[in-house]
Amino acid sequence: GQSLEQPSEVTAVEGAIVQINCTYQTSGFYGLSWYQQHDGGAPTFLSYNALDGLEETGRFSSFLSRSDSYGYLLLQELQMKDSASYFCAVRTPDQTGANNLFFGTGTRLTVIP
Amino acid sequence: DAGVTQSPTHLIKTRGQQVTLRCSPKSGHDTVSWYQQALGQGPQFIFQYYEEEERQRGNFPDRFSGHQFPNYSSELNVNALLLGDSALYLCASSAGLAGGAEQYFGPGTRLTVT
Repeated sequence: GQSLEQPSEVTAVEGAIVQINCTYQTSGFYGLSWYQQHDGGAPTFLSYNALDGLEETGRFSSFLSRSDSYGYLLLQELQMKDSASYFCAVRTPDQTGANNLFFGTGTRLTVIP
Repeated sequence: DAGVTQSPTHLIKTRGQQVTLRCSPKSGHDTVSWYQQALGQGPQFIFQYYEEEERQRGNFPDRFSGHQFPNYSSELNVNALLLGDSALYLCASSAGLAGGAEQYFGPGTRLTVT
């Protein structure tokens, strides 16, 4: 089976830094993706880690430790518009060589003034 | 550059009916995946289409079926609707069978089964 765990809710102050953790258990693993979803909107891709280490994209950074089956999303200089749900998703292979995304239940981030 | 489009936006059906949802992938993408997202949950993978064939399937019953057309657009069909099928149905496209790390999602179809 496959499972991902991430906190259900996080609250942070505008301008601050917040880290959203994700631990996973999967039968196969290609990499870890992060998606942002505003209420009523579609998930949008933020980052992808296939190798251990930190990936930085503007205010957002994502980290992966394959040996610990753990990753996190780091959001810096928080803005009110960052209030949304954030999903980690594991990219897993199947016997055909295809791959799909297995999503966690999401972390709802609320940014307060 | 058109992104992923889905139709209809909203749909209300009665238990036992059948429904067809449609998706057009982002320009240049040839792989379409369908997800079901219940309220407050993450998207759950239904199946993936590539070269007009179902390549991978999640843990969904045979009531859920699909199709991909030569222009890469796709349909999701659900038969014998249950109340529990009420959800947001998301279509996502990517380039190539193994290009699933970055998927582009459409706005979704909100299905309500009464």
